[in-house]
Amino acid sequence: RKEVEQDPGPFNVPEGATVAFNCTYSNSASQSFFWYRQDCRKEPKLLMSVYSSGNEDGRFTAQLNRASQYISLLIRDSKLSDSATYLCVVGEGSYIPTFGRGTSLIVHP
Amino acid sequence: EPEVTQTPSHQVTQMGQEVILRCVPISNHLYFYWYRQILGQKVEFLVSFYNNEISEKSEIFDDQFSVERPDGSNFTLKIRSTKLEDSAMYFCASSELGLGTEAFFGQGTRLTVV
Repeated sequence: RKEVEQDPGPFNVPEGATVAFNCTYSNSASQSFFWYRQDCRKEPKLLMSVYSSGNEDGRFTAQLNRASQYISLLIRDSKLSDSATYLCVVGEGSYIPTFGRGTSLIVHP
Repeated sequence: EPEVTQTPSHQVTQMGQEVILRCVPISNHLYFYWYRQILGQKVEFLVSFYNNEISEKSEIFDDQFSVERPDGSNFTLKIRSTKLEDSAMYFCASSELGLGTEAFFGQGTRLTVV
């Protein structure tokens, strides 16, 4: 059974803080990895893909560790607008993508 | 910015009735998907569709469900004989390339079965 597990939330951090989420996956054949953001009662929106070499997009950095089968998301200088649920998504190329349950982030003033 | 649009935003139906959820994917995308999210739970893949046929489906997508692309723009999910447990948010998504690539989601249809 393919499983994608995420840190339990919520993470409650002050503005300006750095916060990191981890996500582990059970299927070693997984080939594609994404972080999505979902606001309350809204659709998931792609935040970033995760590449083997790691990648950065502004304040967001994603890392992949195939040996330990986890991916991470680091958010620097948190903003109030970063408050959302962050979904880890793992797929095997053309096969069914599996979503994690999500990690809730609350950024407070 | 191109977007995936879904109608209706909210559908209430009686148990046992059939519903059709509609989606207009992004125009140059070739792959279409349906997902569902029961309140408070994770997003679950239902089905992917490419070249006018189903390419992948999950164990949730049983004979109660069907998908169709009736014309060049719409992509529909039909749920027959709805049950209370079908109540969920149903998201349509599309992508230029297949599963394993970036997908763009519509705003969802909230289905309530009473």
